[in-house]
Amino acid sequence: GAGVSQSPSNKVTEKGKDVELRCDPISGHTALYWYRQSLGQGLEFLIYFQGNSAPDKSGLPSDRFSAERTGGSVSTLTIQRTQQEDSAVYLCASSLDDRSTTQYFGPGTRLLVL
Amino acid sequence: AQSVTQLGSHVSVSEGALVLLRCNYSSSVPPYLFWYVQYPNQGLQLLLKYTSAATLVKGINGFEAEFKKSETSFHLTKPSAHMSDAAEYFCAVSDNTGGFKTIFGAGTRLFVKA
Repeated sequence: GAGVSQSPSNKVTEKGKDVELRCDPISGHTALYWYRQSLGQGLEFLIYFQGNSAPDKSGLPSDRFSAERTGGSVSTLTIQRTQQEDSAVYLCASSLDDRSTTQYFGPGTRLLVL
Repeated sequence: AQSVTQLGSHVSVSEGALVLLRCNYSSSVPPYLFWYVQYPNQGLQLLLKYTSAATLVKGINGFEAEFKKSETSFHLTKPSAHMSDAAEYFCAVSDNTGGFKTIFGAGTRLFVKA
């Protein structure tokens, strides 16, 4: 079956612009995670969604970052007023539910802020 | 709070030699431990995981890891390296205090010499 997909695969933007990154989890997976992979910080947890529960936003680095998950499926990560330090690969993962230890990762979106 | 330390940002072995990638963790609750592999320009792939069952865990591609609580370690090994094992490896820790948001180590890049 289809895995986790993310779009776009690459995004180049200018400092100060807003960007939206999309994640399509595996069908039927209720848990969804966003991570960021950058040279300076390694792999960091950003946000976690489980079903209709309030998301765990404890990893979001600033209020310029937000995410939503519509209909319990597709998720969008939005970065407002992008800064150069936001340049990174943004990875999405999904798992069957909040008791499942196995996360399936998408290929990531490579964001470059000029 | 949880944390992961991977000893050695780069490890180089000869083809056919033993692979040993070191990982130590810190966790205030019984941890779930993972090793992921990332090939160039690809997403993360789960190699193996420890979820409080057997302490010696076997994964894909001939890799295995042993959970040692007394040493707070979860080192990854493979008896004989192949050229195709060249990649970056991440050790990670998680708990079930609300999903499985995962804390990753800094990664170890494995080089395999012919």
